[in-house]
Amino acid sequence: SQQGEEDPQALSIQEGENATMNCSYKTSINNLQWYRQNSGRGLVHLILIRSNEREKHSGRLRVTLDTSKKSSSLLITASRAADTASYFCATGSNFGNEKLTFGTGTRLTIIP
Amino acid sequence: DADVTQTPRNRITKTGKRIMLECSQTKGHDRMYWYRQDPGLGLRLIYYSFDVKDINKGEISDGYSVSRQAQAKFSLSLESAIPNQTALYFCATSDPNRPDGYTFGSGTRLTVV
Repeated sequence: SQQGEEDPQALSIQEGENATMNCSYKTSINNLQWYRQNSGRGLVHLILIRSNEREKHSGRLRVTLDTSKKSSSLLITASRAADTASYFCATGSNFGNEKLTFGTGTRLTIIP
Repeated sequence: DADVTQTPRNRITKTGKRIMLECSQTKGHDRMYWYRQDPGLGLRLIYYSFDVKDINKGEISDGYSVSRQAQAKFSLSLESAIPNQTALYFCATSDPNRPDGYTFGSGTRLTVV
């Protein structure tokens, strides 16, 4: 079963705009992570946020976590064509980065 | 060289054949994982291993088996391939003491005809 569900399933925006993707999950978590996948390639880790954190930044990425709503959002600011990819959230229920459960992904297309 | 290497990259096999997908890593991590990816379903965990002597079933282990030959090597076998095992397979590693998530291989695209 899928723990995380991303919303929207697909998103197209103009280059330079901000992109926001959401992830909802069902059970208690220790951490939530976001990954990027370029067209059939392996996933690349972007950022990890722990359950006791509310917001985290990394470059143009901003992640928020609301454990009361069991949801997270990923914001990519000033989007670039190279940001075109699928983005997945993944949840870990145990300390230590174990047995992540992945969502179904958001397909992001940046229009030059 | 890639941190996590999967072989083969692509494979077409016939129904009923046994096939092995191989994964090796240079990260020095104890923890390794096999996932499959199907369109619209995200990634689902097949098997995972926290060290050489520890093998655990994941969400969808039926029809699969694994072997952890060494810390660096983790192989996935399909004992008798069937068409609904057509998918993209990923191997990954992790270090529980580092907040940098999983490191994935580039994947094996398997087609069972």
